[in-house]
Amino acid sequence: EVLLLESGGGLAQPGGSLRLSCAASGFTFSSYAMSWVRQAPGKGLEWVSAVSGSGGSTHYVDSVKGRFTISRDNSKNTLYLQLSSLRAEDTAVYYCAKDIGDSYYDHVWRTYRPYFSFDFWGQGTLVTVSS
Amino acid sequence: DIQMTQSPASLSASVGDRVTITCRASQSISSYLNWYQQKPGKAPKFLIYAASSLQSGVPSRFSGSGSGTDFTLTISSLQPEDFATYYCQHTYGAPPITFGQGTRLEIK
Repeated sequence: EVLLLESGGGLAQPGGSLRLSCAASGFTFSSYAMSWVRQAPGKGLEWVSAVSGSGGSTHYVDSVKGRFTISRDNSKNTLYLQLSSLRAEDTAVYYCAKDIGDSYYDHVWRTYRPYFSFDFWGQGTLVTVSS
Repeated sequence: DIQMTQSPASLSASVGDRVTITCRASQSISSYLNWYQQKPGKAPKFLIYAASSLQSGVPSRFSGSGSGTDFTLTISSLQPEDFATYYCQHTYGAPPITFGQGTRLEIK
């Protein structure tokens, strides 16, 4: 059974930092790309960041580039998201999500990219940015 | 960035009804389109990928169609457990991938 368990959320001040973790089990973690998707209170879903199975390729939405860092430790089956320079608009439930495969070479776009299709999700961890 | 627009934003229907939700992309995305279901307080559930392929374990009353810019999610006979919010998501090209704003399906 695939399980994803996020932790690390909480209250942070504007400009502050947090590190989210996602412990994975039930599948060969290193064989799959992983993403973080967030949902502000009462709002829709927003993809935030993705990382390839090896950790060597990362992607971010523009609004978090330079502030958030995605990483993974395949020896610990754990995905991370380091949040820095936090803003009120970063307040959201953050979900980790398993992709349906690892990154692949897209011949049309001439780049390695994840499938961005999320077949399993964690329960989410709430990040609140407020003074 | 590619914008995804869902309609309607909300929908009231009864058990047994046939329901269709529409998703439109701001540019052609071929069949790079997924659908998710989300219930209050829960994580999204993966329903359909590549516009029309049913994810394993998803009931056959769910179906998807479309290509290019216009897509639909159809529930052939609504069941009580289907009342939820539905999101489309494109996976076309370079990031960012984006979701539609959601369609809330409520009991009439």
